[in-house]
Amino acid sequence: AQKVTQAQTEISVVEKEDVTLDCVYETRDTTYYLFWYKQPPSGELVFLIRRNSFDEQNEISGRYSWNFQKSTSSFNFTITASQVVDSAVYFCALRQGTGRRALTFGSGTRLQVQP
Amino acid sequence: DSGVTQTPKHLITATGQRVTLRCSPRSGDLSVYWYQQSLDQGLQFLIQYYNGEERAKGNILERFSAQQFPDLHSELNLSSLELGDSALYFCASSVEGGGIRGSTDTQYFGPGTRLTVL
Repeated sequence: AQKVTQAQTEISVVEKEDVTLDCVYETRDTTYYLFWYKQPPSGELVFLIRRNSFDEQNEISGRYSWNFQKSTSSFNFTITASQVVDSAVYFCALRQGTGRRALTFGSGTRLQVQP
Repeated sequence: DSGVTQTPKHLITATGQRVTLRCSPRSGDLSVYWYQQSLDQGLQFLIQYYNGEERAKGNILERFSAQQFPDLHSELNLSSLELGDSALYFCASSVEGGGIRGSTDTQYFGPGTRLTVL
């Protein structure tokens, strides 16, 4: 069985602070895929990043960066110099590498960025 | 804009009724997935279709059914509605999903249909 844990239910920061959202996963698959999605107040789910289990390189995209560590089964997401527009619920998700393609989501972390 | 469309955006109905949610995938995508987001259950996978055929089932109630049509749009039918069915229903699409081999494709989500059962 697969499981994704986002232990931080809600985080509140002041604009320009850096913030890290934690994601810990469990899977028996040797090949799997990890995702982050953003759900702004408007409600849609926006894809942010996909990471393959065989690629442990960290990734940076503008103010966003992701740290994937297989040794600790973690896929953490850092926002540098946060902005009010970053306020949203962020979901980490896991998908097995073969067969079933359904996403298993964590419970989400609500990020509030105060001006 | 993900390219996935869902209608209607909002739906308010009464217990015991039946509703149909519609989804059009991104151009070129063959797979459609349905997810339910509720306060107590979070985001849960319901069902997947690939090129018209059911491919995988998740936590979908027997009162719920879905289908994918030849033009690849999909409909989720919810019947004998209960208060607990109130939720945000998402459709997602991806390019692949029909084989048993691994795939790197990504699911893109529509804006969702918010269902309220009174």
